Amino acid sequence: GQQVMQIPQYQHVQEGEDFTTYCNSSTTLSNIQWYKQRPGGHPVFLIQLVKSGEVKKQKRLTFQFGEAKKNSSLHITATQTTDVGTYFCAGSTGTASKLTFGTGTRLQVTL
Amino acid sequence: EPEVTQTPSHQVTQMGQEVILRCVPISNHLYFYWYRQILGQKVEFLVSFYNNEISEKSEIFDDQFSVERPDGSNFTLKIRSTKLEDSAMYFCASRVRGLGEQYFGPGTRLTVT
Repeated sequence: GQQVMQIPQYQHVQEGEDFTTYCNSSTTLSNIQWYKQRPGGHPVFLIQLVKSGEVKKQKRLTFQFGEAKKNSSLHITATQTTDVGTYFCAGSTGTASKLTFGTGTRLQVTL
Repeated sequence: EPEVTQTPSHQVTQMGQEVILRCVPISNHLYFYWYRQILGQKVEFLVSFYNNEISEKSEIFDDQFSVERPDGSNFTLKIRSTKLEDSAMYFCASRVRGLGEQYFGPGTRLTVT
């Protein structure tokens, strides 16, 4: 079945440093979404990417969808303590609306 | 802002017992989902529901699981005979149309002893 892997599993940065998580799917995706889950919380939608090579920005967050639609990345510039949490990518294939979540990257930010 | 709600927040049950987890999706949403997350692991898809029937289900969603939308607002997940390995956080999610943002509820933590 479809597998979605993320690296790194865990990253600890100091506030102000940049952070990137990478997402790789075993199959071509029709779209990819990114979610953030705070400790003890539920996944919260960040963004959806649909087109090959698409790049979207949200303030300090930059999201990319690969040309082959099998990989994606999330980059945070100048991290803040409020960025702490686990970041999941989640992909859909074909017309299926279910999400296959990645393994997640847990981000810890300290002062 | 509208949100998905789930009850109870925590359920403890003995192995072999039946449990029903309840969700109230956002009112104008048409697609409903159940996911589960074992502590510290990724979120796993269980089942999707549209137009009063299951549209997709995963290998995890075996004969012990069922879903229902008994009225216009509730969406339930039933586990007929719980096992220890069913212990997890169960999230309900909904969305307006087939693709796009899924709104997750706060989850029900199920502990099977």
